[in-house]
Amino acid sequence: DTEVTQTPKHLVMGMTNKKSLKCEQHMGHRAMYWYKQKAKKPPELMFVYSYEKLSINESVPSRFSPECPNSSLLNLHLHALQPEDSALYLCASSQDQDSGYTFGSGTRLTVV
Amino acid sequence: GESVGLHLPTLSVQEGDNSIINCAYSNSASDYFIWYKQESGKGPQFIIDIRSNMDKRQGQRVTVLLNKTVKHLSLQIAATQPGDSAVYFCAENMDFNKFYFGSGTKLNVKP
Repeated sequence: DTEVTQTPKHLVMGMTNKKSLKCEQHMGHRAMYWYKQKAKKPPELMFVYSYEKLSINESVPSRFSPECPNSSLLNLHLHALQPEDSALYLCASSQDQDSGYTFGSGTRLTVV
Repeated sequence: GESVGLHLPTLSVQEGDNSIINCAYSNSASDYFIWYKQESGKGPQFIIDIRSNMDKRQGQRVTVLLNKTVKHLSLQIAATQPGDSAVYFCAENMDFNKFYFGSGTKLNVKP
């Protein structure tokens, strides 16, 4: 298995909702990432997990809460989001700290 | 065809021509660089990488050139095909686990 799988592919949520994005990989990668991508913009790093521990938080608002239950799974919990948080949320993984990423296809999030 | 990346975000080339996509990176301490291809509705896909101890690396139909003096990367695609149409991003590794993406160039291949 050489893929990063993200679910759901599309999500519409209200500003008072709580939802979660899920990411899974079975390549044995020990680093996992969340990126946010607005339309026609490059991906922006949000969080980095290394060996299941949060190693980088790029000053992301607390309404985004990451979780790494095990080495294959990465979640992003969403609460009280704003319409400007609408974006494509990309998960990625890598073998180690200094290698290229494998990206999932993303979750297209719309906040209404 | 050739783009200046940040200043010319769309590059249109004829099928069969060579394409050159440029990227200016920001951190002189960055030591690892990757080119990604992103098709509509998909996540970025790894194309080719290069480390700072090299100035050129070749793959299948693609070549990456690195000029550390002026902090410049380029991606050359030989015999561009319609399937190469996508947005291309360069990414630099500023620190362990931290890749930052350039603004991207859209490649449009005309049949």
